[in-house]
Amino acid sequence: GAVVSQHPSWVICKSGTSVKIECRSLDFQATTMFWYRQFPKQSLMLMATSNEGSKATYEQGVEKDKFLINHASLTLSTLTVTSAHPEDSSFYICSARDGTNTGELFFGEGSRLTVL
Amino acid sequence: QKEVEQDPGPLSVPEGAIVSLNCTYSNSAFQYFMWYRQYSRKGPELLMYTYSSGNKEDGRFTAQVDKSSKYISLFIRDSQPSDSATYLCAMSNYGQNFVFGPGTRLSVLP
Repeated sequence: GAVVSQHPSWVICKSGTSVKIECRSLDFQATTMFWYRQFPKQSLMLMATSNEGSKATYEQGVEKDKFLINHASLTLSTLTVTSAHPEDSSFYICSARDGTNTGELFFGEGSRLTVL
Repeated sequence: QKEVEQDPGPLSVPEGAIVSLNCTYSNSAFQYFMWYRQYSRKGPELLMYTYSSGNKEDGRFTAQVDKSSKYISLFIRDSQPSDSATYLCAMSNYGQNFVFGPGTRLSVLP
């Protein structure tokens, strides 16, 4: 299957700092990428949908100024958690679908953010 | 009614058992159906992908889709301890909106 790489896999930061997480599609062009947040033993919570070259669409209740998403190319989307606070500590996962209309969705390995 | 319903478990079975995991859904527009396996602290891994109704087999895994009943299943034969994970069903309408079930936690006991 297609490969989606997510980096870093684990990051620890101080409260008030910003953290950037990268999501790359390695062997296909991803016109659409999705960002999720997952709390322990809970399902995926969609945060936003990112389309290459346009502004991300955020789900209700997700602060777009807090979680900045950039999808500058067909293989890279970034999520920046700005002015992180301990309550932002979570597991963040990206996924990507290729440009064809097949419906397959591939996930990155996830990034664990711990804000001290 | 939730768009996708899935028994969260946990489901515990002995090694070698046949496991049946199921999801029901309400939106008849879904055309693509997927099963993902997620190990703890890892991203979901695509296991099976099916378009429309029918069966699909891959090794020990069989996916079934019954669109008339809005019901999908994943069967795991000869289950192994390494199959212990959370299994998420997902469905999509023409690859646009993806909806996930809450996941079923499976434990295969040696």
